[in-house]
Amino acid sequence: GAGVSQSPSNKVTEKGKDVELRCDPISGHTALYWYRQSLGQGLEFLIYFQGNSAPDKSGLPSDRFSAERTGGSVSTLTIQRTQQEDSAVYLCASSRTGGQPQHFGDGTRLSIL
Amino acid sequence: AQRVTQPEKLLSVFKGAPVELKCNYSYSGSPELFWYVQYSRQRLQLLLRHISRESIKGFTADLNKGETSFHLKKPFAQEEDSAMYYCALNRSGNTGKLIFGQGTTLQVKP
Repeated sequence: GAGVSQSPSNKVTEKGKDVELRCDPISGHTALYWYRQSLGQGLEFLIYFQGNSAPDKSGLPSDRFSAERTGGSVSTLTIQRTQQEDSAVYLCASSRTGGQPQHFGDGTRLSIL
Repeated sequence: AQRVTQPEKLLSVFKGAPVELKCNYSYSGSPELFWYVQYSRQRLQLLLRHISRESIKGFTADLNKGETSFHLKKPFAQEEDSAMYYCALNRSGNTGKLIFGQGTTLQVKP
């Protein structure tokens, strides 16, 4: 079946603009995660959704970052008033439930000019 | 704080040589450890998890709680093993939020 799908694959935008990144998890997976991979850095956890529970937002770097997951499926990560340090690859992953092996998407490469 | 350390950014070996990618962690509880791999132009994928105690593509990793390590080993490297390898930790009772190391690029030369 289809894996985790992310769009767009690349996004270039000007500093100060808002961006939305989309993640479509594997069907039936209740857990969804967002990570960020900055140049020269490892993967940094951002936010985690599990079913209808309140999301774990402990990794969001600032209040410019937010995410939602509608209907327990598709998730959108929104970055407001983008800064150059937001440039990174944003990865989404899903798993059957929390704690199960995670399946990753191809990521969205975000570049802030 | 929980942390995963991969001390080598780049490991370069010749085909047929043994490989060991190092991973150390700091966590006071009982962790679950993983190795993820990313081949060129492919997405990140799970290679090993310590609770499975499997050998995947000839790779093995043993959790050493005394040394807080989870090194990835393969006795004879192949060119197709060239990739970026990430060690990751999931805390006990945690629901899957992974803490990743910085990654090690493995380059296997012919």
